[in-house]
Amino acid sequence: SQQGEEDPQALSIQEGENATMNCSYKTSINNLQWYRQNSGRGLVHLILIRSNEREKHSGRLRVTLDTSKKSSSLLITASRAADTASYFCATDDSGGFKTIFGAGTRLFVKA
Amino acid sequence: GAGVSQSPRYKVAKRGQDVALRCDPISGHVSLFWYQQALGQGPEFLTYFQNEAQLDKSGLPSDRFFAERPEGSVSTLKIQRTQQEDSAVYLCASSLMYSNQPQHFGDGTRLSIL
Repeated sequence: SQQGEEDPQALSIQEGENATMNCSYKTSINNLQWYRQNSGRGLVHLILIRSNEREKHSGRLRVTLDTSKKSSSLLITASRAADTASYFCATDDSGGFKTIFGAGTRLFVKA
Repeated sequence: GAGVSQSPRYKVAKRGQDVALRCDPISGHVSLFWYQQALGQGPEFLTYFQNEAQLDKSGLPSDRFFAERPEGSVSTLKIQRTQQEDSAVYLCASSLMYSNQPQHFGDGTRLSIL
């Protein structure tokens, strides 16, 4: 498989708690993106962080990027039941056109 | 509708049959991607178009898979002589310009090969 790795594979938390997901990738990148996917639906873009950025915020989302470790994290603060979904990181194939997705973290937020 | 549209949503075919999956990207989007997603896994890249040009088809699993985008808008993914391992969700995505921009996904076609 050419996919990166995410951990944990699954995460179950209570509403109001924070959720942290991690992603590691293998090659140099131009940017890294996070997507969410509800069951039976397509992916929805959440946030894009460029290789020269270290942290980015969007609402309740905070993304960090460490290019020296080839890793990224997604933090969802004050989680809600509606955040229940699968979350994927995606990297570009630097110099190419391919987008490489991780295997995803399945987040379950209990009301 | 302003989103990416895929049809059919579900397709059941017998092993050996040919299938064609359609993708209508967001109007004006230059880039178009096809992915294959197995149950419980992330999307796996199949192919990429920039307008009508297929610039990367390195992810197509075999020569039974063929994709086209003849006028730079609608795209079709064709699978010939289907096999059971072709069963998966096939996702299409488009982005406004380049391949490293945010992608807008359709809801996919769930293909089942009996």
